[in-house]
This record gives sequence, C-alpha cells and structure tokens, in this order.
Amino acid sequence: AQSVAQPEDQVNVAEGNPLTVKCTYSVSGNPYLFWYVQYPNRGLQFLLKYITGDNLVKGSYGFEAEFNKSQTSFHLKKPSALVSDSALYFCAVRDGFKTIFGAGTRLFVKA
Amino acid sequence: NAGVTQTPKFRILKIGQSMTLQCTQDMNHNYMYWYRQDPGMGLKLIYYSVGAGITDKGEVPNGYNVSRSTTEDFPLRLELAAPSQTSVYFCASSPLYSTDTQYFGPGTRLTVL
Repeated sequence: AQSVAQPEDQVNVAEGNPLTVKCTYSVSGNPYLFWYVQYPNRGLQFLLKYITGDNLVKGSYGFEAEFNKSQTSFHLKKPSALVSDSALYFCAVRDGFKTIFGAGTRLFVKA
Repeated sequence: NAGVTQTPKFRILKIGQSMTLQCTQDMNHNYMYWYRQDPGMGLKLIYYSVGAGITDKGEVPNGYNVSRSTTEDFPLRLELAAPSQTSVYFCASSPLYSTDTQYFGPGTRLTVL
C-alpha cells in the first residue's frame, strides 16, 4: 500500500530564512506525490505535485519540492520564509482513486 | 465557479441525533470524497465516490452513510451521533485521472455533546 510519512510535527523558522518540510514515501509503481497547505479554519489547498520528469517541482507561493528517488523523499522547500507561510502542510500520495495524506507538519515562521 | 461548497459550517448535535452534511461541486468532477480531521491530526477518508451511483468505504466508514445520485452532490449522513464523531469534516473532489489534484471545501465543524 502507498504511504507517506512526515517525520516532524512542527518546524520553526525565522522570517527570511530558508525552510524545509520533510516527507518520505513508500509506493509500488510510479509515485504521484503532492503537497497541500491548510490555513486556520480552511480546507486544504493544492501547492504542487510530482508526476514525472524534472525532480525539482515548482508550485504556488514560491514553494518548490525536490523528488529524490534514491532517498524516497519529497521535501518541500522555500528559499525565504514569510510569516504568512505559517500553516499546516500535508504531504500526500495518490493511491488509485484515493489520496493518502501524511499526518501534517505545522510550520511556524517567526518575524 | 464556486468550487466545492459545504453546508452547514458549524453544527452542534446531541448524542443519538442524526444529520446530513451537504457537499456540492460545480466542476463536473467524477471523484468525490469525505474526510474527517480530528484536532492535531491528519485526514482520514470516510467514503469516496468515483461517479454517480458508485460509492465505496474509506478508512473510517462506521457510523456514516453516503449516496451519490448526481455528479454534483455527495451528502454524508450521520446516524445516531456519538461524541467520537466530533470532528471537522471536509468534502473534496477531483477530475478523472489519478494524477489530478483534489479540491477541498471549507469544512463543517461538528460537535456532538
């Protein structure tokens, strides 16, 4: 069965510093990987996805993610964090008709 | 397009009451999903549908029922509400292909007392 793991419950970073939110995956076949963001009292919003091709995927709000097949990782990154990036981030993998979500990582960006 | 809409936004139920959470999407998506999100937790899939008339159980279906009579609507029914069903419920939809993203509604916050 497909699965993703987010090893960090929380990530703290200062505004202007680079940020990384980690995700590892376990899949059989080609991995279809996603990152979603959830702001307080809102539904999840799509950030970016990896289907095939370039290992560096660019998404919304300046976020990008690096697909690493040998390390089975799909870490979310941003070169310079903003306070407004503070939110809950979910890594996810597509499993047929369904999407399997990680437990989420809360990002705090301090001014 | 309104996207995915959910009603109500908030609801308080007494133990044993029943209710229906409404979900509608106007994007002509084939797939629709119901998730619950408990405090500090990720999303758990309750039920999903791959098209009108076709539904299937997800990870945590007990205590819930669904129907899908149209492409647009995917209501979730709670029978005999229990405190364990206190949660935030999200409806989502996606187009046909497995590479497609999901689009989420704003959620329904349900408390069972």
